[in-house]
Amino acid sequence: DIQLTQSPSFLSASAGDRVTITCRASQGISSHLAWYQQKPGKAPKLLIYSASSLQGGVPSRFSGSGSGTEFTLTISSLQPEDFATYYCQQVDSYPITFGPGTKVDIK
Amino acid sequence: EVQLVESGGGLVQPGGSLRLSCAASEFTLSAYTMNWVRQAPGKGLEWVSQIHSSGATFYADSMKGRFTISRDSAKNSLYLQMDSLRVEDTAVYYCARQYWAFDPWGQGTLVTVSS
Repeated sequence: DIQLTQSPSFLSASAGDRVTITCRASQGISSHLAWYQQKPGKAPKLLIYSASSLQGGVPSRFSGSGSGTEFTLTISSLQPEDFATYYCQQVDSYPITFGPGTKVDIK
Repeated sequence: EVQLVESGGGLVQPGGSLRLSCAASEFTLSAYTMNWVRQAPGKGLEWVSQIHSSGATFYADSMKGRFTISRDSAKNSLYLQMDSLRVEDTAVYYCARQYWAFDPWGQGTLVTVSS
């Protein structure tokens, strides 16, 4: 199975901050990585697919990069509505796996 | 609007069975790859099962032999039959459509396995 690790697991930031979350895969997954945002009591929302493609309707302050085993999600200027938990996911091989999540909290 | 709505969750005793449903709107479910994902209380996301547009099915190891994914084209719905349920199967279960990634997701249905 492909293991995904995320760092940090928790970060405290202020509105307007630039935030970067890293996801590392235990083996190469090409660009078969997605990022999701989840708020309490809600379903996850797709932000980025194929490592760097922005899902329609998602603000341009979100961006993704990377390939192989190391990936990043960047929020260029954190907005109040961005405080949530973020998950990476690999769809390269079975079983499909998710990272453990990064909770972004208000400083 | 493309939408997924899950139903069928509830309280069940260990060893029992439950069938979850996921109704699709504004798209033909059988033309897409569909997935079930679960989230235990306070925990992360865990992929459960997938059915391809071809009908091929895939399962996470811990669900193999206990869970069965299926679909009904006439009802435009996805199902998850869960047998031999364990306390650790307690979670919110989501269905999700897959193209490059999982989108959209349903709102989820809570399954509680407890005596």
